[in-house]
Amino acid sequence: AQKITQTQPGMFVQEKEAVTLDCTYDTSDPSYGLFWYKQPSSGEMIFLIYQGSYDQQNATEGRYSLNFQKARKSANLVISASQLGDSAMYFCAMRGPFDRGSTLGRLYFGRGTQLTVWP
Amino acid sequence: NAGVTQTPKFRILKIGQSMTLQCTQDMNHNYMYWYRQDPGMGLKLIYYSVGAGITDKGEVPNGYNVSRSTTEDFPLRLELAAPSQTSVYFCASSYEAGTVSGELFFGEGSRLTVL
Repeated sequence: AQKITQTQPGMFVQEKEAVTLDCTYDTSDPSYGLFWYKQPSSGEMIFLIYQGSYDQQNATEGRYSLNFQKARKSANLVISASQLGDSAMYFCAMRGPFDRGSTLGRLYFGRGTQLTVWP
Repeated sequence: NAGVTQTPKFRILKIGQSMTLQCTQDMNHNYMYWYRQDPGMGLKLIYYSVGAGITDKGEVPNGYNVSRSTTEDFPLRLELAAPSQTSVYFCASSYEAGTVSGELFFGEGSRLTVL
C-alpha cells in the first residue's frame, strides 16, 4: 500500500521568511515520483515541483525546493522568501511506476497543509 | 490554450437524480483522471483512463461511471445521486510514456451539491 502523510494541518509564516511544509510517504516500490501542488482559495490545483525517486539532486523551481531524504522517506517543500500570495493549501502527492498493475495511473494525495503568510 | 475544461462549474442535484460531468482536454494527453475532494481532505481517485477505450477504478468508484471514447473526452456519470456525493470534482490529464514522472494538469473543478 502507498500512503502520503502531511502532519501539519496549518502553518503560519511572516512575509519574506522561509517555511518548510512536511511530507512523508510510504512505499515499497523503488521507483516513484513525488509532487507538490498548491490550491489557492479559488480552488484550482497548481503544480509546483516534482522529484523522481532516482533523481540525485533535490528539485528546485524558483522559490520552491524539495528537500528529498530518501532513507527517511520524506519530501518536504521549502518555500523561500514567502509572499502574501503563497497563502493557500499545499498538497503532497506520490505516484508509483506505470508498469505496475496495482498502482497504474494512481496519484495518492496527502490531506494538505494550509499555509498562511502574514505581513 | 484551453488545457483541461470541466463543465458545469456548479450544480445542485436532488437525491436520485443523475447527471454527467463533462471533461475535455486539448493537450493530446493519454491519461485522464477523475478525483473528488471533500472538505478539508485531499483528493481521492474515482476513475482513471490510460487511453481511449480503457478505463479503470480508483479508490472510490461506487456510484459513478465513466467512458473514454476519444482521447480528448472523459465524462463522469453520476447515477442516483446521494448526499454523500456532495463534493468538488476535479478532472485531470497527463502524458505518460513509460516513465514515472508526469505532471497532472487539472481542470478548475466542479462543485456538486446533492440535496
